[in-house]
Amino acid sequence: EPEVTQTPSHQVTQMGQEVILHCVPISNHLYFYWYRQILGQKVEFLVSFYNNEISEKSEIFDDQFSVERPDGSNFTLKIRSTKLEDSAMYFCASSEEGTGRDIQYFGAGTRLSVL
Amino acid sequence: DAKTTQPTSMDCAEGRAANLPCNHSTISGNEYVYWYRQIHSQGPQYIIHGLKNNETNEMASLIITEDRKSSTLILPHATLRDTAVYYCIVRDMNRDDKIIFGKGTRLHILP
Repeated sequence: EPEVTQTPSHQVTQMGQEVILHCVPISNHLYFYWYRQILGQKVEFLVSFYNNEISEKSEIFDDQFSVERPDGSNFTLKIRSTKLEDSAMYFCASSEEGTGRDIQYFGAGTRLSVL
Repeated sequence: DAKTTQPTSMDCAEGRAANLPCNHSTISGNEYVYWYRQIHSQGPQYIIHGLKNNETNEMASLIITEDRKSSTLILPHATLRDTAVYYCIVRDMNRDDKIIFGKGTRLHILP
């Protein structure tokens, strides 16, 4: 069964450093998403991406965050200058159509620890 | 905010059917009911979804009331591996639709 792949599974970084989280969506999917989950809290939407553009972003997704599809298979989330409060699980998701008719599939996540 | 209401937690004996309720009294005609689950901080896993009719797949059954204001997810023979947080979500069928997660129901399967 096709799956969304995220790397690394765990990223440790120092406050103020830049990190890039990597995702390989399911191959025929066109819509891509990032979510995050701070320990013990709800899963929160960050950003959606389609046709090389951001479709929607939440208030969390400020100027420190950016997304990119650098090639035909990868989808990345960059945090320019990490803060302690960025420590969380980050989940990538993808879907074929991007509407509520269609299933979003999630990756296993990257645990980001900012020290 | 999530448009659904779920109990905070539930217990179910291993081998029995787990019935997880969800209230979505403000659901519109364009909205699907989706269920996902999350096993111990893993990525959310899709379970099932439906619009009006009851649905069944290899994982679960979804029973939607006739007025569509509530639904029940049924895991027919719960195992210890079904211990997870279960999320009931409504999604608009026509929009580029992010998923809004609530707190879900923490299901404990008891040996």
